[in-house]
Amino acid sequence: NAGVMQNPRHLVRRRGQEARLRCSPMKGHSHVYWYRQLPEEGLKFMVYLQKENIIDESGMPKERFSAEFPKEGPSILRIQQVVRGDSAAYFCASSDINTDTQYFGPGTRLTVL
Amino acid sequence: LAKTTQPISMDSYEGQEVNITCSHNNIATNDYITWYQQFPSQGPRFIIQGYKTKVTNEVASLFIPADRKSSTLSLPRVSLSDTAVYYCLVGTNLNQGGKLIFGQGTELSVKP
Repeated sequence: NAGVMQNPRHLVRRRGQEARLRCSPMKGHSHVYWYRQLPEEGLKFMVYLQKENIIDESGMPKERFSAEFPKEGPSILRIQQVVRGDSAAYFCASSDINTDTQYFGPGTRLTVL
Repeated sequence: LAKTTQPISMDSYEGQEVNITCSHNNIATNDYITWYQQFPSQGPRFIIQGYKTKVTNEVASLFIPADRKSSTLSLPRVSLSDTAVYYCLVGTNLNQGGKLIFGQGTELSVKP
């Protein structure tokens, strides 16, 4: 049973470009969460999604950031017009409907030049 | 979600038992206690979860006193590969919120 998959593992963007981060949850999981970890800091919750629905986006910056989890395909975290402060590790986690245990992917390390 | 307090860092030697205590004075009736481990440049890895008393799995034990205001993660006979950051989290079932709130964690350093 494959774990949570994220790609790309490393992403380099210049200021002003767009970044798209993808997350495929574990098989059978219908809940996806995105977290961000800035250098030398703990993880911070960003958004919680179920298929085609955003359940909780209280941790998402108000501008430039968006997330989706379509009926088919992976969840996407999109960052428009990236700035240097967006450089961080972005982790995706998934869980199933019956438990509250979240399983994390390996993360995407975004570097903004 | 209940706030947690745990030591910033701990040192240990190979073969020792390590106990990391977490305080969560405001834990709610429906809250579970969950511990994660994170190695550098990797995602957090679920270790153990409990509600009360004692829980044990192949990796660790979790001790929770009757008042549930604290919990202790016990790692038996640590090795160098157990060097990592350990996070204590308290929260309810995902159906009532879902998000995990991570604190600073405890940086465990295991020495030879």
